[in-house]
Amino acid sequence: KAGVTQTPRYLIKTRGQQVTLSCSPISGHRSVSWYQQTPGQGLQFLFEYFSETQRNKGNFPGRFSGRQFSNSRSEMNVSTLELGDSALYLCASSLSGLYGYTFGSGTRLTVV
Amino acid sequence: AQSVSQHNHHVILSEAASLELGCNYSYGGTVNLFWYVQYPGQHLQLLLKYFSGDPLVKGIKGFEAEFIKSKFSFNLRKPSVQWSDTAEYFCASPTGANNLFFGTGTRLTVIP
Repeated sequence: KAGVTQTPRYLIKTRGQQVTLSCSPISGHRSVSWYQQTPGQGLQFLFEYFSETQRNKGNFPGRFSGRQFSNSRSEMNVSTLELGDSALYLCASSLSGLYGYTFGSGTRLTVV
Repeated sequence: AQSVSQHNHHVILSEAASLELGCNYSYGGTVNLFWYVQYPGQHLQLLLKYFSGDPLVKGIKGFEAEFIKSKFSFNLRKPSVQWSDTAEYFCASPTGANNLFFGTGTRLTVIP
């Protein structure tokens, strides 16, 4: 079956702009979570959605938001981009967290 | 487990050497632990997972990990590394809030 698909793979944005990233989970997976990966902070949890509801949120400012659609596809949005938002954003889907999470290839965002 | 820690930041080995990467977890009731690998430019892949039962867990690509409750450890091992094992390795644990807590990662460099 197809894996987790993230688009786009690369993005370059200017400070102050906003950006939307997309994630299509594995078919049948209703949980989608997002992580930010940076060299300094490692992998940090952003938020998790299940059946269109945000169940959990990490410690990120309100500029980071997300949503999930009825087909389980998810988007995350970052408004008023800052240089520090440059990172690899990873999406993961799961049937049940206890059985593991499957990650997408990520979207590499560069803010200039 | 609620959190994990990895103390080896960068490990350099010659091909055919044996590998052991450390991971310690904090007690948090039911213990579930994962090891993920991230090859250069690729997405996170699940190497192996522990839920219960046999403390010696076999994973893909010849990796294994041993859960030692008395030491709060879940170290990753491989008897003989190859150049293709060069990657970053992450220990992770579900937090109970539908997401994973990742260790800071260990970068493994295998010299041919």
